Amino acid sequence: DIVMTQSPDSLAVSLGERATINCKSSQSVFYSSNNKNYLAWYQQKPGQPPKLLIYWASTRESGVPDRFSGSGSGTDFTLTISGLQAEDVAVYYCQQYYSSPQTFGQGTKLEIK
Amino acid sequence: QVHLVQSGAEVRKPGASVKVSCKASGYTFTSYTITWIRQAPGQGLEWMGWISGYNGNIKYAQKFQGRVTMTTDTSTSTAYMELRSLRSDDTAVYYCARLGGAPPDVWGQGTLVTVSS
Repeated sequence: DIVMTQSPDSLAVSLGERATINCKSSQSVFYSSNNKNYLAWYQQKPGQPPKLLIYWASTRESGVPDRFSGSGSGTDFTLTISGLQAEDVAVYYCQQYYSSPQTFGQGTKLEIK
Repeated sequence: QVHLVQSGAEVRKPGASVKVSCKASGYTFTSYTITWIRQAPGQGLEWMGWISGYNGNIKYAQKFQGRVTMTTDTSTSTAYMELRSLRSDDTAVYYCARLGGAPPDVWGQGTLVTVSS
């Protein structure tokens, strides 16, 4: 199984500042035949299902604000939230869908400083 | 609009079984796969497996092999997940989600399954 490790476990950022969450996979999730990284990011607020933010490591899902961006390739990935807003308080998860089981990171809790 | 609506909360005793339903609307059910993911209270997300809405092909996580059965009813655009021999650590919110060549993009609201004597 591919192990996904996020850092940090929790993060406090001031409103309007940048938040950065990292995700590392135990093996590459890059598929060379289509040049894609099989890595997604989700946002989960209390009592709600996860919401897809980013897929293919850097493609924003429709309707997701452009302050959310994803980067990285191979085994190291980053979710960046530029200009943090109050509604961004949530737990963020990365997920690899390169191979089954499609494993998730342990989550990063984002709070306002 | 695409929706996945799951059945309501369930309470079971240890050793019993539970079957959760997930009714799809707003898209062609047979063009997508349904995946099941669970989340224990205060914990992270755990992938359980998927079932193709097109041909019924199935992939279960090894952890659940022998205890889980995923099925679909294409006539009603509904997917089902049955988990048997329940234990207290199966207490979780169970989610279905739509999968179509990329990660799950539409999720059900979740079904809380509580296992308690």
